[in-house]
Amino acid sequence: ETGVTQSPTHLIKTRGQQVTLRCSSQSGHNTVSWYQQALGQGPQFIFQYYREEENGRGNFPPRFSGLQFPNYSSELNVNALELDDSALYLCASSERRGPGNTIYFGEGSWLTVV
Amino acid sequence: AQRVTQPEKLLSVFKGAPVELKCNYSYSGSPELFWYVQYSRQRLQLLLRHISRESIKGFTADLNKGETSFHLKKPFAQEEDSAMYYCAQGYIFGTGTRLKVLA
Repeated sequence: ETGVTQSPTHLIKTRGQQVTLRCSSQSGHNTVSWYQQALGQGPQFIFQYYREEENGRGNFPPRFSGLQFPNYSSELNVNALELDDSALYLCASSERRGPGNTIYFGEGSWLTVV
Repeated sequence: AQRVTQPEKLLSVFKGAPVELKCNYSYSGSPELFWYVQYSRQRLQLLLRHISRESIKGFTADLNKGETSFHLKKPFAQEEDSAMYYCAQGYIFGTGTRLKVLA
C-alpha cells in the first residue's frame, strides 16, 4: 500500500509569483484535503476534493485553488504569493469525504516566500 | 466558528508519571473528534478517534459533551511518547501540545 506522497519537498518563491504543489493520494482513497501549517501552529484546513469537485473550503482567499484528477491525485495552486504564505503545506487523503473520516497525511511541502 | 483549544504548548512529565493532554472544542452538535500525533521526523498520523473508543499505545480519550472536552490520557508515560500531539474536530485542528517525557 502506497502512502500519500507530495512534491516538491522544499521550494522558494518570490512574492507575487505562483506555485503549484502536487499530491498523490493513498491507494484506494478518493478524497484529498489540503492544509497549511505555519510555524508553531496546527494545520489549517484549506479545502477538500472528492471525485474532482471541491467538497468544502476553509477560510482561505480565492487565490488558493485546487484540482483533483481522475486518478485522485491533486494539485494546490497559490497565486500572487505573499510572505505570509510561507508554511508547510500538507496533503491528506481519506477513503470517504466528510469531516468524520480518518485522514492520512503526506510529509508536506515546505514553501518559503521571499 | 468552530474552534479547538489546546491550552498547553509544552507538557513535561517524568517517565512512569500519568499524562493528560487537554483539548476543548467549541461545536455544540455531534462532534467528530480525533487525536493526531507527530513523532520526530515522521509524518502526522492518527492516534485515536472518539467514535472507535479504543486505546492506542496505552492512550485513551474520553468525550465529555458537558464540558466540550476530549482530553488525552495515559496512566504511565514512556519516553517514546515524546511527540507533538494535535486534537482535531473534523477539519479543525488545535495548535498542538509538545509532550516531553523525561527519563
